[in-house]
Amino acid sequence: NAGVTQTPKFRVLKTGQSMTLLCAQDMNHEYMYWYRQDPGMGLRLIHYSVGEGTTAKGEVPDGYNVSRLKKQNFLLGLESAAPSQTSVYFCASIEDRASYEQYFGPGTRLTVT
Amino acid sequence: GQNIDQPTEMTATEGAIVQINCTYQTSGFNGLFWYQQHAGEAPTFLSYNVLDGLEEKGRFSSFLSRSKGYSYLLLKELQMKDSASYLCAVRVWGYNNNDMRFGAGTRLTVKP
Repeated sequence: NAGVTQTPKFRVLKTGQSMTLLCAQDMNHEYMYWYRQDPGMGLRLIHYSVGEGTTAKGEVPDGYNVSRLKKQNFLLGLESAAPSQTSVYFCASIEDRASYEQYFGPGTRLTVT
Repeated sequence: GQNIDQPTEMTATEGAIVQINCTYQTSGFNGLFWYQQHAGEAPTFLSYNVLDGLEEKGRFSSFLSRSKGYSYLLLKELQMKDSASYLCAVRVWGYNNNDMRFGAGTRLTVKP
């Protein structure tokens, strides 16, 4: 049981490049989340999903797209990376609407130059 | 809008007790969470309050007052390993909605 995993762990992009961050969970959780964490600003919700095939916008969705084609995977895409997207990205999951313990992945450190 | 406020930094002595406060203003409140995050690591779940009152879990306790929009995390018998950031978060629920909002975190330093 690996819990929540994220790929890659580190990445450096040039402005304008695109990439996809992969989050995978093997706990059969319904809800999945993507956050970014910047110094002094805490965690901010980008997008989330309440089940396979569904996505919803969080607090800071601009510049990102997501997909949840399979229940265990939640993908975060950057179509045209900008330096403002330099951050640490965390994925998390919760079993269902009645649950409260959110499990986090180890994070992806992304630098856009 | 959603506002969650907590002190930026706190310092305490090993073996002492420390209280970290969190105030919030949200609509559709459905639970308050505390997470611990060591530098360079992912947050880990500490506690959850949805009703008013105190929840105790070992050395950690969390209190909630929904009418005041206030919570605190109490850490007893502080240990050096408790040096970390502590994140307050509020879950906001609407129809088909499970939004989470975090405060900026309180960096706690435990000194010998």
